[in-house]
Amino acid sequence: NAGVMQNPRHLVRRRGQEARLRCSPMKGHSHVYWYRQLPEEGLKFMVYLQKENIIDESGMPKERFSAEFPKEGPSILRIQQVVRGDSAAYFCASSPPLGNTYNEQFFGPGTRLTVL
Amino acid sequence: DAKTTQPPSMDCAEGRAANLPCNHSTISGNEYVYWYRQIHSQGPQYIIHGLKNNETNEMASLIITEDRKSSTLILPHATLRDTAVYYCIVLNQAGTALIFGKGTTLSVSS
Repeated sequence: NAGVMQNPRHLVRRRGQEARLRCSPMKGHSHVYWYRQLPEEGLKFMVYLQKENIIDESGMPKERFSAEFPKEGPSILRIQQVVRGDSAAYFCASSPPLGNTYNEQFFGPGTRLTVL
Repeated sequence: DAKTTQPPSMDCAEGRAANLPCNHSTISGNEYVYWYRQIHSQGPQYIIHGLKNNETNEMASLIITEDRKSSTLILPHATLRDTAVYYCIVLNQAGTALIFGKGTTLSVSS
């Protein structure tokens, strides 16, 4: 059973360009989460999605950032008009349906975004 | 949201038990405690979680105090590959997101 997959693993963009990060959850998982890790810091929650629905986007910056999880295909985190401060590691996690009271999330290897 | 507090760093000799403490005095009665680790810059790896009772799996043991205000993650026989940042985590109030602090950097040496 393949784990969470993210691509690209490394992405370099110039200021003002767009960045698209993709995440394929584990088989059987219908919930996707995006986290951002700035250098020397812990991970910070950005957004939680189910298929075709954004459930919690309380951690998303108000501008330039968007996320989707379509019915078919991977989840996409999109950053428009990137700035140097967007340089970070972006991790995706997935979980099975939240039938239990705990929430076990499995992480992908991350996408390292560098903005020049 | 409940918060967790961990020492910034710990050292452990290879082959010895590593005991990593965590304080979560504001945790509510039905909140789980999760432990993850991050080796170098890889994605966080799930280790274990617990509510009230002590838990054990193939990776580690989790000891939770009776008042649930603190817990200890135990790696029974640490190896060099256990060198990582260990995070003691609770969920946010909505139950949707893991709240990562700065964690404990565990250094295992031979």
